[in-house]
Amino acid sequence: AQSVTQPDIHITVSEGASLELRCNYSYGATPYLFWYVQSPGQGLQLLLKYFSGDTLVQGIKGFEAEFKRSQSSFNLRKPSVHWSDAAEYFCAVDPSGGYNKLIFGAGTRLAVHP
Amino acid sequence: DVKVTQSSRYLVKRTGEKVFLECVQDMDHENMFWYRQDPGLGLRLIYFSYDVKMKEKGDIPEGYSVSREKKERFSLILESASTNQTSMYLCASSSLMVGLSLSYEQYFGPGTRLTVT
Repeated sequence: AQSVTQPDIHITVSEGASLELRCNYSYGATPYLFWYVQSPGQGLQLLLKYFSGDTLVQGIKGFEAEFKRSQSSFNLRKPSVHWSDAAEYFCAVDPSGGYNKLIFGAGTRLAVHP
Repeated sequence: DVKVTQSSRYLVKRTGEKVFLECVQDMDHENMFWYRQDPGLGLRLIYFSYDVKMKEKGDIPEGYSVSREKKERFSLILESASTNQTSMYLCASSSLMVGLSLSYEQYFGPGTRLTVT
C-alpha cells in the first residue's frame, strides 16, 4: 500500500545540537516530496520541497533535506537547533502528478531542551 | 501573502447537529482541500476540489460533504455530527501545477478545532 512513514513520534534534542528527522515513502515512482512544520496553534508551513534535480534541497529556517532514491527516503536535517524549532514536523508526498493531493506521514513532535 | 482563513478556531457542537466549516482563500487558487488532523495519524484528506462546483472524495469522506459555489470558498459540511468527528480540521489551497512551478505548494489555514459532545 502507498504510505509515508515517519518512524519517530517524538524527538528531544538540546539547543544547538544537530537534528535529523526521518521520512520514508512507498511509491513506485518518485513522487513530489515536501516537509511541513506546524507550530503550536498554527496551520502548516512549508519548509522545503523536492521535485527533481539536485537531491539536496535547501529550505527556510536553516533546514535542508536529502532525497535518496535507493532508500525511498527524504530526511530533514538542521545543523544547529534553536528553541523556536520546537514544533511538529510532517513529511508529505504528492503521487498525483500535479493535483497536489498530498499523503502525509503521522508527524514527528520535536522538543528542544535549553 | 497568501491567506487561507477558516471561519472558527474553536467550535463545540452537539451530536446530530449539522455543522458548517467555512474556508476562504485570497490567491485565486484552483485547488482547495479539507483535511482532518488526529494525533498519531497525521493529516488525512477528506475532500478536495479542483474547480468551482467540482469535488472529489479523499481518503475519509464518510460522514462529510462539501460545497464550492465560488472559487475562493470551500465549505465542509457534517450532515449529522458524531463524537468520532471531534478533531482538528484544516483547509488548504494551491494553484494548479504548470511544469515544475516553484510556487507549487499547499497553503494552510490555522485550523478549526471541533468538539462534538
